[in-house]
Amino acid sequence: ETGVTQSPTHLIKTRGQQVTLRCSSQSGHNTVSWYQQALGQGPQFIFQYYREEENGRGNFPPRFSGLQFPNYSSELNVNALELDDSALYLCASSVSWDRGNSPLHFGNGTRLTVT
Amino acid sequence: KQEVTQIPAALSVPEGENLVLNCSFTDSAIYNLQWFRQDPGKGLTSLLLIQSSQREQTSGRLNASLDKSSGRSTLYIAASQPGDSATYLCAVWAGTYKYIFGTGTRLKVLA
Repeated sequence: ETGVTQSPTHLIKTRGQQVTLRCSSQSGHNTVSWYQQALGQGPQFIFQYYREEENGRGNFPPRFSGLQFPNYSSELNVNALELDDSALYLCASSVSWDRGNSPLHFGNGTRLTVT
Repeated sequence: KQEVTQIPAALSVPEGENLVLNCSFTDSAIYNLQWFRQDPGKGLTSLLLIQSSQREQTSGRLNASLDKSSGRSTLYIAASQPGDSATYLCAVWAGTYKYIFGTGTRLKVLA
């Protein structure tokens, strides 16, 4: 069984630029969530996609957007990058979104540095 | 607003010790609680998931308990090994599409 894979592993961008991060969910998983983890903090929920539609969002501005594709892979797009966007971005997939009955499976993340 | 706290923030123990990591949450209306392990610069690995109707879950040397009424969970690690060194995070699912995470406990097991 293939786990959750994310690309790229590291990325350096300049303030004001745009970035796209990618995630392939674990086989058989139809739900993908994205989390932002600042250094020394726990992950913060950005949004969740279920069957290609966003069905939950955390306290992140609209410049954070996403997509989920028919094969359940996903993208996170961030526009107008700010220095505070520097963090580890984690993608997680699960079998279902309902009540969190299935454990989350995380990828290794993308380390984004904004200079 | 649900808040999750983990104590201690860091812990250093000699190999072979049994240890307990603590997690507390402010709102007892949760569906489940999950414990994760995170190695430096890596993603999270799910260790144990406890449903709200359960009191504990066990996997190998790990045992997690849940007391919803007091808003607490503990992760017990038996006979600790250097390979257990990592950050341990707990997260609660409150039925709003997201897990709410604590800030973690950094564990170092000395050989």
